[in-house]
Amino acid sequence: SQQGEEDPQALSIQEGENATMNCSYKTSINNLQWYRQNSGRGLVHLILIRSNEREKHSGRLRVTLDTSKKSSSLLITASRAADTASYFCATVPMGSGGYQKVTFGIGTKLQVIP
Amino acid sequence: GAVVSQHPSWVICKSGTSVKIECRSLDFQATTMFWYRQFPKQSLMLMATSNEGSKATYEQGVEKDKFLINHASLTLSTLTVTSAHPEDSSFYICSARDQVAEQFFGPGTRLTVL
Repeated sequence: SQQGEEDPQALSIQEGENATMNCSYKTSINNLQWYRQNSGRGLVHLILIRSNEREKHSGRLRVTLDTSKKSSSLLITASRAADTASYFCATVPMGSGGYQKVTFGIGTKLQVIP
Repeated sequence: GAVVSQHPSWVICKSGTSVKIECRSLDFQATTMFWYRQFPKQSLMLMATSNEGSKATYEQGVEKDKFLINHASLTLSTLTVTSAHPEDSSFYICSARDQVAEQFFGPGTRLTVL
């Protein structure tokens, strides 16, 4: 079953602007991850944030996690046309034990217009 | 990061035939591998979790007799779609988990059943 719900489902911005995508989830998590997928391609892991972390940075990416609200946000600063892709949040539920099942949200389709 | 490969990257087959997809962890040992399915413009849905040397655990609604999973070694898992039908046409993605519980995704296999 789907755990995460991304918001918005589609986002179109001009190159250079910042893009913010949100993800909400339902159950307690071990960690939350963001992935990127170019059309028809595999997944690229962007960043992982653990349940005891509140914010993480990687290059132009900034991820926040609010476990009290069960939500996360992904900020891409100074967007580029090459950032055009679908972005998924994925959660590993608490107590999933050795399996560490990753459950994906429905994704946000980002279009960056040159 | 670690590399996971899938073969083939795409396959077209006739209705009623069986198709085997391989997932390999190239530079690490994967005790657990996961198989996902992604329909066009949708998110990834977990199909099954497989541990090396044991039977796969299937998600609810996934027919284990139709989607045969074999995880014979620490670097190889296979998914066989038996008696494929057009509705099985999808993008199949595997992921492999290493000893420190990080997951790495393969590039995906696009299956088209005519």
